[in-house]
Amino acid sequence: NAGVTQTPKFQVLKTGQSMTLQCAQDMNHNSMYWYRQDPGMGLRLIYYSASEGTTDKGEVPNGYNVSRLNKREFSLRLESAAPSQTSVYFCASSVEPGNQPQHFGDGTRLSIL
Amino acid sequence: SQKIEQNSEALNIQEGKTATLTCNYTNYSPAYLQWYRQDPGRGPVFLLLIRENEKEKRKERLKVTFDTTLKQSLFHITASQPADSATYLCALDITDSWGKLQFGAGTQVVVTP
Repeated sequence: NAGVTQTPKFQVLKTGQSMTLQCAQDMNHNSMYWYRQDPGMGLRLIYYSASEGTTDKGEVPNGYNVSRLNKREFSLRLESAAPSQTSVYFCASSVEPGNQPQHFGDGTRLSIL
Repeated sequence: SQKIEQNSEALNIQEGKTATLTCNYTNYSPAYLQWYRQDPGRGPVFLLLIRENEKEKRKERLKVTFDTTLKQSLFHITASQPADSATYLCALDITDSWGKLQFGAGTQVVVTP
């Protein structure tokens, strides 16, 4: 039982390049989330998907797009990477939105030069 | 503006003692509050959830209190062990945005033998 799996674990990009971060969960959860974590700051929600077929913006959505491919998979795309997007990105899932624990992957460490 | 504050200074504590962490918030009316543990290089792991109508919640050596009047949660680790060394994050839901969590920056706990 893998839980939440994120790929890749590490990535270095040049400014202006695009990339998709992948996330898959095997817990049959309805809701999925993307966060970024920067030093000295709390996790900040980028986008979330309350259920398959829906997505909604979080606190810091600019520069990102998401796709809820199916119930298991939720991808995050950087269309034109900027140095300000250097961060650790975490994907999470929960049974339902709200009032539920969230289960996190181990993150993608992304550096943009 | 909405704000969640956790002590940014590391808490150094001797094995066997009780560690107490605080989470203060302003301009929120959360329906529930969660606590997570994060180890270096790993994603957060859910520990406890407490609802606004609950004063206290326990799980093994962990205890959480939630005072909506003071806008504060306290997280206690009793009989602390070196394995409890980690960063602890509090997270609040935003009641008008069901399922969206706001995280504090976390407090590092270091338990020495």
